[in-house]
Amino acid sequence: NAGVTQTPKFRVLKTGQSMTLLCAQDMNHEYMYWYRQDPGMGLRLIHYSVGEGTTAKGEVPDGYNVSRLKKQNFLLGLESAAPSQTSVYFCASSPRKGGSYNEQFFGPGTRLTVL
Amino acid sequence: GENVEQHPSTLSVQEGDSAVIKCTYSDSASNYFPWYKQELGKRPQLIIDIRSNVGEKKDQRIAVTLNKTAKHFSLHITETQPEDSAVYFCAHSFSGNTPLVFGKGTRLSVIA
Repeated sequence: NAGVTQTPKFRVLKTGQSMTLLCAQDMNHEYMYWYRQDPGMGLRLIHYSVGEGTTAKGEVPDGYNVSRLKKQNFLLGLESAAPSQTSVYFCASSPRKGGSYNEQFFGPGTRLTVL
Repeated sequence: GENVEQHPSTLSVQEGDSAVIKCTYSDSASNYFPWYKQELGKRPQLIIDIRSNVGEKKDQRIAVTLNKTAKHFSLHITETQPEDSAVYFCAHSFSGNTPLVFGKGTRLSVIA
């Protein structure tokens, strides 16, 4: 199993450009998440999904959109990139067991720079 | 009520000594408390977790303790080794329907 994969690994954008980050998992997990990691700020949740076709806002959702059309994929979109969105983006997934949250498995991360 | 405070932000110990990292939360409904380790340039990975019906859990050199009355939980690493050097994150879930909230991390350096 590949686990959680992210595409691309690195990207440089100019202010105002758009892009989509792709997250894929092959563990049949119900829950998927997008985080951003900035120095000294830990992992901050952008959006998450508890199942195919559903999404919800996290702590820092502004400037991002997501879609979960297939259970195994979770897409993060930036419609008009800003320098403040320069960060490392991590995707994660977790199984639904007993109605509560469980271990999250993280992807390798995407390093995004917005000039 | 969702935030979790993690201390210290940096910690240096001599190889072989113990390291303790503490996290404090505010919501009494929190019921799941994992710890993640992130090595430089790598992804976070779960190292140990505990649920609210257990007070302590051990796995070889690492242990987590939970004090629900005081609303804090701690990571204990004994006999530290250089490979323990990493950033450690605590997290909690304050209900079964909401995702994890992470602390800001502790950078642990083990000096040989």
